[in-house]
Amino acid sequence: QVQLQESGPGLVKPSQTLSLTCTVSGGSLSGGGYYWSWIRQHPGKGLEWVAYIYYNGNTHYNPSLKSRVTISVDTSKNQISLQLSSVTAADTAVYYCARELQIAFDIWGQGTMVTVSS
Amino acid sequence: QSALTQPASVSGSPGQSITISCTGTRSDVGSYNLISWYQQHPGKAPKLMIYEGSKRPSGVSNRFSGSKSGNTASLTISGLQAEDEADYHCCSYAGSNTLVFGTGTKVTV
Repeated sequence: QVQLQESGPGLVKPSQTLSLTCTVSGGSLSGGGYYWSWIRQHPGKGLEWVAYIYYNGNTHYNPSLKSRVTISVDTSKNQISLQLSSVTAADTAVYYCARELQIAFDIWGQGTMVTVSS
Repeated sequence: QSALTQPASVSGSPGQSITISCTGTRSDVGSYNLISWYQQHPGKAPKLMIYEGSKRPSGVSNRFSGSKSGNTASLTISGLQAEDEADYHCCSYAGSNTLVFGTGTKVTV
C-alpha cells in the first residue's frame, strides 16, 4: 500500500529556508487523481494546512503562508518537496505530508519535527 | 482564513455518546459539505475518520458519525470506548482551493 515518508533537517536557523521532502512508496503520485499536501502542527496545537500540489505541478497555498512557501513535485523520484523561507520560531512544528482527495487526507506520513533555533 | 472553532475538551464515560462541534462560517463549513474529521493519538499521525461530512472510510467503526447544520459540523462517537481517547480535528474546504482545520478537541474517556 502507499506509504509516505518525510525527511529533512530537524534544526533550522532563524531567517534561513526550511526544506523538506516527502517520498511516496508503494504507488505513483501521478495516479488516482490525488493531491499531495503539507500540513504542520505546532507543539500542543491543532493542525494547519500549508499547501498542496497535483502531480502536474498545479499548486495551492495557505494564504497566510503563501509569500514564504513553495511546494514542488518530482514525478521521476516520486517525491514532493516543501520550502519555507525566512523561518522564525513560530515555524517550529511537526510537518506532515499527506495524500488528499476531496478534502480528505487518507494517508499520512509519520511526520518530522522541525525546530527553528540559533 | 481563521481556524474552525472546536471545544478544547470533551469527556464521557465508557458506553456513552459524545458530540464534538466544529464551527466555521458561511465561507467554509456553511457553504460546502467537504468536511473531514481526524483522530490523533499522542505522538501519532492523524487518521481519517469521516469525509464528505458523513462518510466513513473502510475500516472505521460505525460508532463514528458526522453531520452538519448551518455553519457547524459535528462528530458523534457512540458507545464510547477507552481507545477513543485521543485528539480530534475537523477540516473544511474554504473556497478558492484552500482548506482550514479546526482548533482540535481532546476527548477523555
